[in-house]
This record gives sequence, C-alpha cells and structure tokens, in this order.
Amino acid sequence: DQQVKQNSPSLSVQEGRISILNCDYTNSMFDYFLWYKKYPAEGPTFLISISSIKDKNEDGRFTVFLNKSAKHLSLHIVPSQPGDSAVYFCAASGSQGNLIFGKGTKLSVKP
Amino acid sequence: EAGVVQSPRYKIIEKKQPVAFWCNPISGHNTLYWYLQNLGQGPELLIRYENEEAVDDSQLPKDRFSAERLKGVDSTLKIQPAELGDSAVYLCASSLSGRVPPVFGPGTRLTVL
Repeated sequence: DQQVKQNSPSLSVQEGRISILNCDYTNSMFDYFLWYKKYPAEGPTFLISISSIKDKNEDGRFTVFLNKSAKHLSLHIVPSQPGDSAVYFCAASGSQGNLIFGKGTKLSVKP
Repeated sequence: EAGVVQSPRYKIIEKKQPVAFWCNPISGHNTLYWYLQNLGQGPELLIRYENEEAVDDSQLPKDRFSAERLKGVDSTLKIQPAELGDSAVYLCASSLSGRVPPVFGPGTRLTVL
C-alpha cells in the first residue's frame, strides 16, 4: 500500500503562471517532507523540505505547504519557467530517516 | 565538490548473469543508500548504511542481491543471478546523517535481456 501518493502523473502550465504539485500521505508518523526534481538521465535533486512543526517553507520561487490534519502537502512554483520542466517527487520520512517516495508528477512548462 | 559517482552508467546483460554496481559517495558523508527505481515509479530503498554498518536492509532481496561498504566509503551492489524483472535504474545516494536530504548520483540503468 502506497504511503506517499502523487495522484497527478502530469501537469502542464504556461510560462509565468503558478504550478501546484500535490502530494498525500497516509502514515501519521511521518514528520519530515521533501521535494526532489529529476531531469532525464540524471539522479533526483533535492529542492525543498518542511518539518511537521511548520506549515509553510519558502525558498525563492518555491514554496511548500503542509496540512497535517489532511495529510497533504503541496509545492508551489511561482513564476513557472521552462527550465522547471522535470519530474517532481514528493518524499516523506519518520524518525528512522528512510525516505518514502511518491510516483512523481511530470511538470511541463510551455513558453 | 564532486557529487556522488556511480559506475557503470549503463549495463546490458543476459538473464542469469551476475552484475555489480559501484558507488563513491560525497566525501565525509557517513550515510549511504541504494535505491531501485522502476519505470514510472519513485525510488524505493534497498539498503541503508551508516558508515560500514547496514542499518536497514529489510527491502533487499537477499536471495540474489548483496551489498557491501568496506571501510565505510565506497559501496558495491551485486545481483547474482539477474532476472528480467531486475531491469531498472539503481540509484546511490549519500548524506551527512540520516535526517539530512540525501544527494543522489546519476544512477545505473540496468537492462536484463
């Protein structure tokens, strides 16, 4: 049973607009959440993280929101750029530190 | 600073043959991970090392997979014998500790014919 779910396999947005990628989790013991970006033929690259004691973390154009009651997090990219086109993975971990990944969402930003 | 180095980048073998993957983590990173990524899926943990000790190998299919991290630096993942279903990307990652976001290598794409 999947503990981290990304229900949208793909997302297409126009350059300059907002991209919103969503992620749901089932394990209430998760206390640390991350987003990774992956380009073809490369390994995933860490993007941004959030601890369960916070509900928002911002880094430049990237903001992650955490709703613990709904077991939901989202990644906002504003403004979206063509170079943001990649597969985005949501990941979560508990106290043991091992990351559990979702299946990913492929973002396409069109010029 | 050099990133996580993996070799080979691509490997094609016949089923039932053995195969080995090598990983050199970022210098000073005590935690090393091997992940498996199937097409259309996210990475799945195979094994995690803290220095030279395997602290979590619960997802490693031990009948055919083995791993080692001698001297707590480089690591090797081996499959013997390989099966068709082992075709995937094998990712190595490292971090300073278990709660620091791991840095991933480029992966080894294995094709078993």
